[in-house]
Amino acid sequence: KQEVTQIPAALSVPEGENLVLNCSFTDSAIYNLQWFRQDPGKGLTSLLLIQSSQREQTSGRLNASLDKSSGRSTLYIAASQPGDSATYLCAVYNNAGNMLTFGGGTRLMVKP
Amino acid sequence: NAGVTQTPKFQVLKTGQSMTLQCAQDMNHNSMYWYRQDPGMGLRLIYYSASEGTTDKGEVPNGYNVSRLNKREFSLRLESAAPSQTSVYFCATRTGTNTGELFFGEGSRLTVL
Repeated sequence: KQEVTQIPAALSVPEGENLVLNCSFTDSAIYNLQWFRQDPGKGLTSLLLIQSSQREQTSGRLNASLDKSSGRSTLYIAASQPGDSATYLCAVYNNAGNMLTFGGGTRLMVKP
Repeated sequence: NAGVTQTPKFQVLKTGQSMTLQCAQDMNHNSMYWYRQDPGMGLRLIYYSASEGTTDKGEVPNGYNVSRLNKREFSLRLESAAPSQTSVYFCATRTGTNTGELFFGEGSRLTVL
């Protein structure tokens, strides 16, 4: 059974800092990997989708990388802002691409 | 463009009562999903519908039933609610069975007393 782990569970940084969130998964036979953001009391917002054949994806200040062989993905946030405060979740699609397994999330606080 | 709409947003039930959570999407997506989110347990798949007319069990289907009414709508029914079903329920949609990214609704917070 696929297991997805996100470390750290919580992170507090000052505004302007560059930071890295980590996601690891036990079964490297994945289809895609997706990063989400969740604000308190809200649904999940898609940030980046990385196809299994890709190594990274970028959107604005966000960059996500994928290393299937080592079972790892990282989400890099450049020049963090207070508005980036949220919980970040990664999810991996199984080999058939039809089921997702979510990590427990990293709760990020960016202090002004 | 509403995206994925869930109703109701909040509901309180007594043990043994029944209710249906509704989900509608205007994204013309084929696949729809129901998840529950619990503290310490993360998001877990209850049921999904790869396309209109099909439904399949996910990780935690017991105590739930689903109906894919048409391409736009996917409902989740609790026939006899239990306190263990207190959770936040999310509907999500996707272009195809294994295509595209997942888009979520805002969630429905259910409390079973």
